[in-house]
Amino acid sequence: EPEVTQTPSHQVTQMGQEVILRCVPISNHLYFYWYRQILGQKVEFLVSFYNNEISEKSEIFDDQFSVERPDGSNFTLKIRSTKLEDSAMYFCASSKKWDRDPSANYGYTFGSGTRLTVV
Amino acid sequence: GQQVMQIPQYQHVQEGEDFTTYCNSSTTLSNIQWYKQRPGGHPVFLIQLVKSGEVKKQKRLTFQFGEAKKNSSLHITATQTTDVGTYFCAGINYGQNFVFGPGTRLSVLP
Repeated sequence: EPEVTQTPSHQVTQMGQEVILRCVPISNHLYFYWYRQILGQKVEFLVSFYNNEISEKSEIFDDQFSVERPDGSNFTLKIRSTKLEDSAMYFCASSKKWDRDPSANYGYTFGSGTRLTVV
Repeated sequence: GQQVMQIPQYQHVQEGEDFTTYCNSSTTLSNIQWYKQRPGGHPVFLIQLVKSGEVKKQKRLTFQFGEAKKNSSLHITATQTTDVGTYFCAGINYGQNFVFGPGTRLSVLP
C-alpha cells in the first residue's frame, strides 16, 4: 500500500537553529498537509498545500514556518529559529481529492512523523 | 473558530467489553472522519461519514453521524487488545480543513 515517507524520524536541534523536515507524499495525491502533535496532546493543523501554493494555514503557522515543494516529489516544512515549544511530532499527510467530495471514503494518509526535539 | 470535542478522554475496559467514544462539534460539519493512532504511531484513517444520520460498520466498529451533523460516535463491540490506541475524530465544515478532536485513549485489559 502506498505510504507517505518522512525523514528524518528524529531530529534534535539547538534552540535558535533552523530545521527542515522532509516528506514524500503519495505520488497521485494532490493535497498535502503538515500537522503537529505535542506529546500526549491532540493533532494540530498547521498548513495545507495545493497546486504549489498554501491553501490554508492555522494561527500556529506564523512567519517562523514555511513550506515548499522544491521538486515533483518532496514536500518540506522549514522551521526557522526553533524554540523549545516547537518540540513535537510533526506529521505530513496527503490526500487524493478535495475533502468535501461526498462520494469519497478516504481520508488523509499520514506519514510516520518526525519527532523534533529542541534543546 | 470551529472546535471539536471528544469524550471520554480515557477509557479502560476489560477485553470483551464494549467501548464508545463521542465526538461533538461546535458547528455543523460537512464531513467527519475517524482515525486510530496506536501508541508511538501515526494516525490511520478509519472512515469518513458524510450524510446526516449515517451509520457505517467495519467488522466490530460502528460509526454514526448525528442527524444535525454536529456529533458522531464510534462504538467497538467486544474489544480486543489490538484495539488499544487513541481514537480521533476530525471534522470539517465547508471551505475549511479538518479539525481534530483531542482523542479518546483506549486501554484494553486482557
